[in-house]
Amino acid sequence: NAGVTQTPKFQVLKTGQSMTLQCAQDMNHEYMSWYRQDPGMGLRLIHYSVGAGITDQGEVPNGYNVSRSTTEDFPLRLLSAAPSQTSVYFCASSYSRSTVRYGYTFGSGTRLTVV
Amino acid sequence: DAKTTQPPSMDCAEGRAANLPCNHSTISGNEYVYWYRQIHSQGPQYIIHGLKNNETNEMASLIITEDRKSSTLILPHATLRDTAVYYCIAPENAGNMLTFGGGTRLMVKP
Repeated sequence: NAGVTQTPKFQVLKTGQSMTLQCAQDMNHEYMSWYRQDPGMGLRLIHYSVGAGITDQGEVPNGYNVSRSTTEDFPLRLLSAAPSQTSVYFCASSYSRSTVRYGYTFGSGTRLTVV
Repeated sequence: DAKTTQPPSMDCAEGRAANLPCNHSTISGNEYVYWYRQIHSQGPQYIIHGLKNNETNEMASLIITEDRKSSTLILPHATLRDTAVYYCIAPENAGNMLTFGGGTRLMVKP
């Protein structure tokens, strides 16, 4: 099925551990991004990419790294997990860097708990 | 992003129209207004967007005032499955970065 696939769906980490959240889309979308959503809050942009090899920071980038080696994949790396990074993480993609004609497609999320 | 203001919550009876307002008084001439919704624990879902003309699709209608300082999302016949948080967004640069605020929590009641 076409769409944005996020793995894993759930993850528990210990403080200080590192891990990579995976995001893949099969719609040939140029634009991909990562958001986090804390309980009862709106979404906050972490990092985004307007194409392979191009990434930039969003509103809350500290503690996270990204890379975009292919159009399809946009992994998010937690360098040294902290309890403050407990959140739900959403990946989103769009056909082009301009969403004038196209909305964003979101994945189903990764629920991360850092203990 | 232009700042948007939405009521924190609204109720609507099942089968009736749900009218969700959004104030974006600082919007600039080239900023579109986008609406997304988030059903509990799921990823946000794109609904509709517009610049200055009213828009309609299979999900909803978007009414934008002539001065573009506010808009209303209309769900013509709300169902229980429309219970969700609805976000109104007016991003810069034609939507390169979306900023989600608190949104409106719509509760559709039987």
